[in-house]
Amino acid sequence: QKEVEQNSGPLSVPEGAIASLNCTYSDRGSQSFFWYRQYSGKSPELIMSIYSNGDKEDGRFTAQLNKASQYVSLLIRDSQPSDSATYLCAVNRGGGSYIPTFGRGTSLIVHP
Amino acid sequence: DAMVIQNPRYQVTQFGKPVTLSCSQTLNHNVMYWYQQKSSQAPKLLFHYYDKDFNNEADTPDNFQSRRPNTSFCFLDIRSPGLGDAAMYLCATSPPGLTNADTQYFGPGTRLTVL
Repeated sequence: QKEVEQNSGPLSVPEGAIASLNCTYSDRGSQSFFWYRQYSGKSPELIMSIYSNGDKEDGRFTAQLNKASQYVSLLIRDSQPSDSATYLCAVNRGGGSYIPTFGRGTSLIVHP
Repeated sequence: DAMVIQNPRYQVTQFGKPVTLSCSQTLNHNVMYWYQQKSSQAPKLLFHYYDKDFNNEADTPDNFQSRRPNTSFCFLDIRSPGLGDAAMYLCATSPPGLTNADTQYFGPGTRLTVL
């Protein structure tokens, strides 16, 4: 069973701080990695996708991928209370599959 | 706006009474997925369609069935809901193409309550 592991949290950070969310995965053949944000009672929405080792920045969000360590992270700079949500890491199954496996998510709380 | 629509948003059914959830999309995506998500858990893939090809996950109970009559619509049928089937059911789609084929677009979900 290929797995995606996330610390369930909650991760609590003050407004304006950097929030760091981490994810590890077990399938070395995985090629596509995603971060979704899910507000309570709502459906997931895509924040970032990353396919190559290194960093990818989009506004206040930076995704980091290290395939050798099987580790992907999401940094949120200048955290806002509106960023308070659960962040789901998704990793596609290896072997060229387009099917993702989701982690259970990390709950982020940004307090004023 | 192109989107993924799920109906109903909230569904209440009785133990053992069949229920059907629907999903439609205006994105013209090849792939449609059904997920079950319980509180504080990861979305669990039940099955997906690639065009008309149905792909069932090995651990999806037989109680769950699906239909995709055309590109735009997909249905989830729960033949005899049990209390353990109460959950949020998420429909998602993904586009054709090699570079972003695995990016998923989710509908708003249907919250199922079983009494």
